[in-house]
This record gives sequence, structure tokens and C-alpha cells, in this order.
Amino acid sequence: TQLLEQSPQFLSIQEGENLTVYCNSSSVFSSLQWYRQEPGEGPVLLVTVVTGGEVKKLKRLTFQFGDARKDSSLHITAAQPGDTGLYLCAGGPASNYQLIWGAGTKLIIKP
Amino acid sequence: GAGVSQSPSNKVTEKGKDVELRCDPISGHTALYWYRQSLGQGLEFLIYFQGNSAPDKSGLPSDRFSAERTGGSVSTLTIQRTQQEDSAVYLCASSLVGAINQPQHFGDGTRLSIL
Repeated sequence: TQLLEQSPQFLSIQEGENLTVYCNSSSVFSSLQWYRQEPGEGPVLLVTVVTGGEVKKLKRLTFQFGDARKDSSLHITAAQPGDTGLYLCAGGPASNYQLIWGAGTKLIIKP
Repeated sequence: GAGVSQSPSNKVTEKGKDVELRCDPISGHTALYWYRQSLGQGLEFLIYFQGNSAPDKSGLPSDRFSAERTGGSVSTLTIQRTQQEDSAVYLCASSLVGAINQPQHFGDGTRLSIL
């Protein structure tokens, strides 16, 4: 069974602090996606990483795909209240059509 | 609009009643997915459509759940004889094709409450 574990499950920090969210797979993934979901809305894609060791930046968010393509991280610098939400990672091997989803990290940034 | 549309946005019904949830995907998207999400939790896969066919129904929790897609477009998820444990947000997503590297575009979900 392919699994995708996210940590931490919950994180509450002050505005201006840095944080990292982790996503670990039990097997090699061909690509991995990060989504953010706000209350009452569906998840919205932030980024897709496909190459081992790849780093992508989206303003204050930095996404990294592990060299072995079994893990990924999301680092937020100087978090803002607007970063509050549920962060989900999802991916799978190339043979899949169905994404395997992590359980999510609920992030709260306090002003 | 150009996004995925789901209706109703909220549904409250009594235990034992049947409910029908609708998803209108992005035009041209051949792949459609249904998920269930409990409060603040991750996504539970229910069913995947490629065109009008459902090659993977493995996530449907019981035979009370069924789904169909017509014309390669609109999909309906039907829950018969609803139970309280069916209460959740039901999300629909579509993608251009059913491939692992394709982004999924989500609707805002139907919040289902069973009394």
C-alpha cells in the first residue's frame, strides 16, 4: 500500500516566523503536488515538482523534492496570516492516474 | 464561470433519505474525481471517471453510493438511504487527462449534513 505521510498535522505560529511542512512517501513518486485549501473552498494547486532535487519558489514559499523522489518539503519564510490554511501534498508513481493524498497540515498564522 | 461547479453547496437531510450531488467540470477535461473530506482532514478518494467510464470505483464506501457521468461532462454522486456517518464535504475535481502529473481543479464542495 502506498502511503503519503505529512507532518506536522497542526501548526500554530506567530506572524513573521518561519516554518517547514514535510511530506514523506513509502515509495518513489514520479511527481508531487502541493495544494492549499481555505475554509469553505476546494484545494488549489500551488506547485508540482517532478525532478529529484528540484526546488521551486513561489514568493515566500519554497518547495523541494527529495533526490530520491520519496519526500518533499514546503518552507514558508516570514509567515503571514494569509498563509493560514490546510496544506495538502499529493502524488504517485507514473503508472497511477489517481493521486495519493497526505492527511494535510493545518496551519494557523496568528497576527 | 470557467471553474468546476458543484451543487448544492449545502445539503441537510434526514437519515434514510436519498441525496444527489452534482458536479460540472471544466469544459474539455476528460478526467473527473469525487472525494470525501471530513472536517479539517485529508481527502478520501471515492471514484474516478475517464470520459463516461469509471475504471476505478474502489473508494466507494458501500453499495449505497453510486455515481455516473454523462456526455463526458456532468457527473452525479448519489447516496441512498443516508446515514449519519455520510456527513462530510463532498469534493469534485477535474483534470485535462487522468495522469498523475496533471493538476486537479476542485469545486468548492457540497457540505452534506445528515440529521
